[in-house]
Amino acid sequence: DVKVTQSSRYLVKRTGEKVFLECVQDMDHENMFWYRQDPGLGLRLIYFSYDVKMKEKGDIPEGYSVSREKKERFSLILESASTNQTSMYLCASSLRGGRMNEQYFGPGTRLTVT
Amino acid sequence: AQTVTQSQPEMSVQEAETVTLSCTYDTSENNYYLFWYKQPPSRQMILVIRQEAYKQQNATENRFSVNFQKAAKSFSLKISDSQLGDTAMYFCAFDAGGYQKVTFGTGTKLQVIP
Repeated sequence: DVKVTQSSRYLVKRTGEKVFLECVQDMDHENMFWYRQDPGLGLRLIYFSYDVKMKEKGDIPEGYSVSREKKERFSLILESASTNQTSMYLCASSLRGGRMNEQYFGPGTRLTVT
Repeated sequence: AQTVTQSQPEMSVQEAETVTLSCTYDTSENNYYLFWYKQPPSRQMILVIRQEAYKQQNATENRFSVNFQKAAKSFSLKISDSQLGDTAMYFCAFDAGGYQKVTFGTGTKLQVIP
């Protein structure tokens, strides 16, 4: 079974802190994604990556950056956390060209910025 | 850019009854994939069913089936014999494949009533 894990289920940070959210997948997937999920807004794509050291902006990249140094790991970085970044963050991965690009999701990290 | 619209923020259904969740999308692509994902309360998002746009036949997975109307750009999900375990958020998603990003709808919260 594909497994996508995220470093924390719950995280509380202070305004202005630098925050790292880690995501690891164990199925050698090329594609990895970071979404934020907010009530009434669904899932919005922050960044995605199709290969090591590659990254593409999604719909809401402002205030975020990402890092993908290894194929299995995709990190989301909040350079200076703000209260409007309080949200649920979901990581996902998929096999390029496989099984109609089904995405496999992690359990999510609920981030609160105070 | 693709858009996905789920016009029903919340729905409820009696156990053992049938319910249909609606999804419409907008795209200029001819070949693409459509998905329904399920997110149970406090649990990971999982794939329910998928449809390739070039296939005329509607996809089915046990109690779950879709009504795919390509010309109308409509992709509804029918859940038959609803069970308590079907209580979840359901997201419709569009994927043009290749290196293009996946677009999710805002979700429908389904409550199955015993």
